[in-house]
Amino acid sequence: EAGVAQSPRYKIIEKRQSVAFWCNPISGHATLYWYQQILGQGPKLLIQFQNNGVVDDSQLPKDRFSAERLKGVDSTLKIQPAKLEDSAVYLCASSFRGGAGQSSYEQYFGPGTRLTVT
Amino acid sequence: AQTVTQSQPEMSVQEAETVTLSCTYDTSESDYYLFWYKQPPSRQMILVIRQEAYKQQNATENRFSVNFQKAAKSFSLKISDSQLGDAAMYFCASLQGGSEKLVFGKGTKLTVNP
Repeated sequence: EAGVAQSPRYKIIEKRQSVAFWCNPISGHATLYWYQQILGQGPKLLIQFQNNGVVDDSQLPKDRFSAERLKGVDSTLKIQPAKLEDSAVYLCASSFRGGAGQSSYEQYFGPGTRLTVT
Repeated sequence: AQTVTQSQPEMSVQEAETVTLSCTYDTSESDYYLFWYKQPPSRQMILVIRQEAYKQQNATENRFSVNFQKAAKSFSLKISDSQLGDAAMYFCASLQGGSEKLVFGKGTKLTVNP
């Protein structure tokens, strides 16, 4: 079974530029998450999708960050314009949510994208 | 709100020895789950072990086991017979049942000395 795929693995941009990250979750996983992991800290949830609907985006800086999940499969996370403090690793994860009483709550993570803003 | 605290920024252990990583959490919910994730330099987060709060028995996965003290809100990870490949960042995380939102601690960097 293929894991969560992310691209690119690394990205370097200048402040005020825009950038986009792509994620392909594990086949059949309805829930997709984007996390931001700043150096020396644990991941912080930015946005959670259930199929193609947003479940939680309370910690997403909506003035500069946007995310979409068209057709309930792939997802893109965009930053425009980028700031120096956006330098971080962006992790995508997915999980299976079965029917009533069926959920392991286990999230499977991709390899992440390391973003450096100069 | 959920919070997770890891008080040990770094730990080291000799190969083949045992090490325990500490974690405390705070939640107002009765239905929750606890996890330990491993993050090697490759950055991929790998689930090590999970514990359902309603289960009294401590979870074990081969050389990894937890000491779940529900009243004290403590969830420590014990690694037995440490191997060089165990060297990584270890993150403790909690999830409230129904929300699917993982909250992570700041992590503990584990070094395994040969």
